[in-house]
Amino acid sequence: AQSVTQLGSHVSVSEGALVLLRCNYSSSVPPYLFWYVQYPNQGLQLLLKYTSAATLVKGINGFEAEFKKSETSFHLTKPSAHMSDAAEYFCAVRVNTDKLIFGTGTRLQVFP
Amino acid sequence: KAGVTQTPRYLIKTRGQQVTLSCSPISGHRSVSWYQQTPGQGLQFLFEYFSETQRNKGNFPGRFSGRQFSNSRSEMNVSTLELGDSALYLCASSLVGDADTQYFGPGTRLTVL
Repeated sequence: AQSVTQLGSHVSVSEGALVLLRCNYSSSVPPYLFWYVQYPNQGLQLLLKYTSAATLVKGINGFEAEFKKSETSFHLTKPSAHMSDAAEYFCAVRVNTDKLIFGTGTRLQVFP
Repeated sequence: KAGVTQTPRYLIKTRGQQVTLSCSPISGHRSVSWYQQTPGQGLQFLFEYFSETQRNKGNFPGRFSGRQFSNSRSEMNVSTLELGDSALYLCASSLVGDADTQYFGPGTRLTVL
C-alpha cells in the first residue's frame, strides 16, 4: 500500500534560515507525490508536485522538493524562511485517480 | 475564476442528527473529492465523484454518503451524527486530464455536541 511519513510534527526556524520539511514515501509503483500548505482556517493549497518528470521540482513561494528514489524521500526545502511561511505542511501520495493519501502534517513556526 | 466554494462554513449539530454539506467546484471541473480532517486522524479521503458517479471511496461507515449533480456540484451527507464526526470537511475539485492538481475549498467546520 502506498503511504507517506512526515518526520517531525513541529519545526521551528528563524526568519532567513533554511526550511527543511521531511517526507518519506512507501510505494510499490512509481509514486506521484505532492506538498500542500494549509494556513489557519483555510483549505489546502498545492505547493508543488512530482509526476515522474524532473526529480527537482520547483513550486510556489520559493519552495522546492527533490525526489530521491534511493532514499524514498521527497523533502521540501526553502533557502530563506519568511514569517508568512508559518503554516502546516502536508506531504501526499496519489493512489488511483483522485485519491490522495496525506501524511500527518508538519507545523512550521518562523521566529523573527 | 471563482475557487471551490463550500457551504456552510460552520455548523453545529447534536448527536443523532444528520447534516448535509455542499461543495461547488471551480467552473469546468468535473471531479470532486471529499476529505475529513481531524486532529487525531489527520486528513482522510472520504470519496470522489466524477460525472455524477462515485469512483473511489474511503474507509468510512455507511453513515457517510455523497452525490454529485449534473452541474458537478456535490453534497455529502452524514446521518446519525456522532461526537467523533466533529471535523473540518474539505472538498477538492480537479480538471479532467489534470487529476494531479486538486484545488481545495476552505472547508466546513462541523461540531457535534
